[in-house]
Amino acid sequence: GAVVSQHPSWVICKSGTSVKIECRSLDFQATTMFWYRQFPKQSLMLMATSNEGSKATYEQGVEKDKFLINHASLTLSTLTVTSAHPEDSSFYICSAQPSGDFYQPQHFGDGTRLSIL
Amino acid sequence: GNSVTQMEGPVTLSEEAFLTINCTYTATGYPSLFWYVQYPGEGLQLLLKATKADDKGSNKGFEATYRKETTSFHLEKGSVQVSDSAVYFCALSDDNQGGKLIFGQGTELSVKP
Repeated sequence: GAVVSQHPSWVICKSGTSVKIECRSLDFQATTMFWYRQFPKQSLMLMATSNEGSKATYEQGVEKDKFLINHASLTLSTLTVTSAHPEDSSFYICSAQPSGDFYQPQHFGDGTRLSIL
Repeated sequence: GNSVTQMEGPVTLSEEAFLTINCTYTATGYPSLFWYVQYPGEGLQLLLKATKADDKGSNKGFEATYRKETTSFHLEKGSVQVSDSAVYFCALSDDNQGGKLIFGQGTELSVKP
């Protein structure tokens, strides 16, 4: 089945550090990928829609300069949390929409737990 | 705007009990509906889906029917197992919004032996 690999799965770093999270579709191409944030015991909140070869579309209230998204190929999107602070600590999850088949469901990565000290 | 409302958890059941998790939605178009499951520390896995009214999605003993008249997509399973313990998310996808998923708040299920 369709597999999405997210890396790293867990990262702990000091305040002020920038952290890059990768989301790869391993056996399919994905023109569109999505980035979500999840707080403990809460639902997933869509942060942005990442489109290959173009700028990401951010949801209202999400700082685009804080959460940089790059989708340079049909199998890779990256989310960089710039100058991370403790309030950025969260569980970040990506998903990928298979290209060419809009009715295929999104496939999710296993998430990245980010802890900022 | 579009939204999804799920019954609040946590839901605690004994093994082999019947499960229902309620989900209702609000949408302007004709959304597709999904149930996703999240095991501790993991991402989401698609459990089942339905793309039009009266469709029934089913998988691993779980099922849900797309009810347009009641705007509902309740998840059911006849006999739960301990391994079903997880958080379940109801979601909708509106074709007019580029495939974005709108999630409910999630319902935690705990099944005791």
